[in-house]
Amino acid sequence: ETGVTQTPRHLVMGMTNKKSLKCEQHLGHNAMYWYKQSAKKPLELMFVYNFKEQTENNSVPSRFSPECPNSSHLFLHLHTLQPEDSALYLCASSQDPSGGTYNEQFFGPGTRLTVL
Amino acid sequence: KNQVEQSPQSLIILEGKNCTLQCNYTVSPFSNLRWYKQDTGRGPVSLTIMTFSENTKSNGRYTATLDADTKQSSLHITASQLSDSASYICVVSSSGNTGKLIFGQGTTLQVKP
Repeated sequence: ETGVTQTPRHLVMGMTNKKSLKCEQHLGHNAMYWYKQSAKKPLELMFVYNFKEQTENNSVPSRFSPECPNSSHLFLHLHTLQPEDSALYLCASSQDPSGGTYNEQFFGPGTRLTVL
Repeated sequence: KNQVEQSPQSLIILEGKNCTLQCNYTVSPFSNLRWYKQDTGRGPVSLTIMTFSENTKSNGRYTATLDADTKQSSLHITASQLSDSASYICVVSSSGNTGKLIFGQGTTLQVKP
């Protein structure tokens, strides 16, 4: 295991539902990330948090709302999603948000989201 | 535009055979290049990371090479095993960025008995 856990592992929701994805890291890292992975496409960075503060929002629609109450926990609140939002949502953490050589990102197993 | 392109998109080989995956990038300025392995239904796991000055790095049966002049990298898998079946993702970090990683679309490898 990588030290990053995500729940639930699978989620099916209707377009009018509200749900939340949870991520927890046990590595003592300060930076946490949400990524979206769609079939046959590169990972897309959605949000970056450093020391609980959001440092990057990659033009993500407002129906995705992140929350970072502390450096170990990260949530992604979902509301009125569209079928094209169906994807694997990955959480990652690293010591800091730089892309430095010794600053490896560790990924969780992901939540497979299906929007009906 | 910073981009990472991988080839082939998918590959099928027999168990015990070797294979090589390719990665071309146009990221500038360059900081480091990483190869990740992603099993089905799992998150990516780092295999190797190389800086500008490194041209080869091994991790067991996995050997990555980097040619910073041509902006190409390869991942060579020796004596493949069924457990090597996965997606392999090339990721480049730009030193001119706040650390955003640029991901390739991945190569899906299937190892058959």
